[in-house]
Amino acid sequence: AQSVSQHNHHVILSEAASLELGCNYSYGGTVNLFWYVQYPGQHLQLLLKYFSGDPLVKGIKGFEAEFIKSKFSFNLRKPSVQWSDTAEYFCAVSGNTPLVFGKGTRLSVIA
Amino acid sequence: SAVISQKPSRDICQRGTSLTIQCQVDSQVTMMFWYRQQPGQSLTLIATANQGSEATYESGFVIDKFPISRPNLTFSTLTVSNMSPEDSSIYLCSVPGSRITDTQYFGPGTRLTVL
Repeated sequence: AQSVSQHNHHVILSEAASLELGCNYSYGGTVNLFWYVQYPGQHLQLLLKYFSGDPLVKGIKGFEAEFIKSKFSFNLRKPSVQWSDTAEYFCAVSGNTPLVFGKGTRLSVIA
Repeated sequence: SAVISQKPSRDICQRGTSLTIQCQVDSQVTMMFWYRQQPGQSLTLIATANQGSEATYESGFVIDKFPISRPNLTFSTLTVSNMSPEDSSIYLCSVPGSRITDTQYFGPGTRLTVL
């Protein structure tokens, strides 16, 4: 069975700080990997995804993630966060089933 | 991408009652998914609803508790039956891209509180 672990429950950063959110998954086969974001009061929306090819993928709003197969990881990064990045971030994986989500990381960006 | 709407957006219900949540998609889709997000928890898949066949339920979820209808390719309902406070959650429907393992597009969710 697939599973996803997100290491941080709540992260608090100052504006302009760098961000890295950890995500590890458990699945023995080929996977598709996703990061979703939920801004306060809004729908879940896709931030970025990895299916194949270049393991460094770029998403919207300056986010990127790197797939490291040997570590079963897909960490999310952003060089300089803004107050508007305050949201809940979910890592998800699909092997041969619909998406399996991690528990989410709440990011609070303070001025 | 798909645009998905859900009704109601939120509700407060008494234990022992049932609530039906509606999900409408702006395009025809074969599969629709229903997820539950309990407070402080991740999204958990309840079932996959295919048009023209019975829904497929994940481990821990049963049809008697969460009956699903899928009358056409743009609409589905999820009923939460005989509710208890443990059913207080956000319920979301979603649709995949071209394949089951593809990007999913989510509705805004229905926030259910059971007293």
